Amino acid sequence: QQQVKQSPQSLIVQKGGIPIINCAYENTAFDYFPWYQQFPGKGPALLIAIRPDVSEKKEGRFTISFNKSAKQFSLHIMESQPGDSATYFCAASMESGGSNYKLTFGKGTLLTVNP
Amino acid sequence: NAGVTQTPKFRVLKTGQSMTLLCAQDMNHEYMYWYRQDPGMGLRLIHYSVGEGTTAKGEVPDGYNVSRLKKQNFLLGLESAAPSQTSVYFCASSYSLRGQSYEQYFGPGTRLTVT
Repeated sequence: QQQVKQSPQSLIVQKGGIPIINCAYENTAFDYFPWYQQFPGKGPALLIAIRPDVSEKKEGRFTISFNKSAKQFSLHIMESQPGDSATYFCAASMESGGSNYKLTFGKGTLLTVNP
Repeated sequence: NAGVTQTPKFRVLKTGQSMTLLCAQDMNHEYMYWYRQDPGMGLRLIHYSVGEGTTAKGEVPDGYNVSRLKKQNFLLGLESAAPSQTSVYFCASSYSLRGQSYEQYFGPGTRLTVT
């Protein structure tokens, strides 16, 4: 049972474009939604995270949009640059249940930003 | 701080051989995790530990064992390697505050091939 569905699998945009990566979850108990960024040959690193008490969170050029009723959240990258080329993973966990250390990851999106 | 380190970086095993992957963190984190990453499958949790001397099964624990004898180390063992265990293995750690876990920090990964 895949609890976090991520799309698309891969995405190619031109420099300056706005790639959007979408995730949908099934478990309504999830209440913490981080995004991780992974460069080739490296481990994932936390990029940005959101909790369901807000519908949007921005950190620099990265924005998470959250739709609790639809059980969906998405990552937008403004003014994308070739250096943003990486694999992006969404994830979800249950903070309130005291088990937020157990992240459920989506399958990842390979983003390529062309110069 | 070195953060999270993993040993070895690469390893080739023959079917039936055993090996131990070592993860070390110098951030005094309570929680530690082992994930495997396979193409198109995202990151899947193998085992995790919420403190020294305690371990628990994750999503895909079969064929693996773990030990957390010291707070800073988390070992992943393969008793009898199988080709299906060919993967990239990531260790991660996170700190906790009043029972809540925070950002997971990942190591650089170990690429394991079982022939």
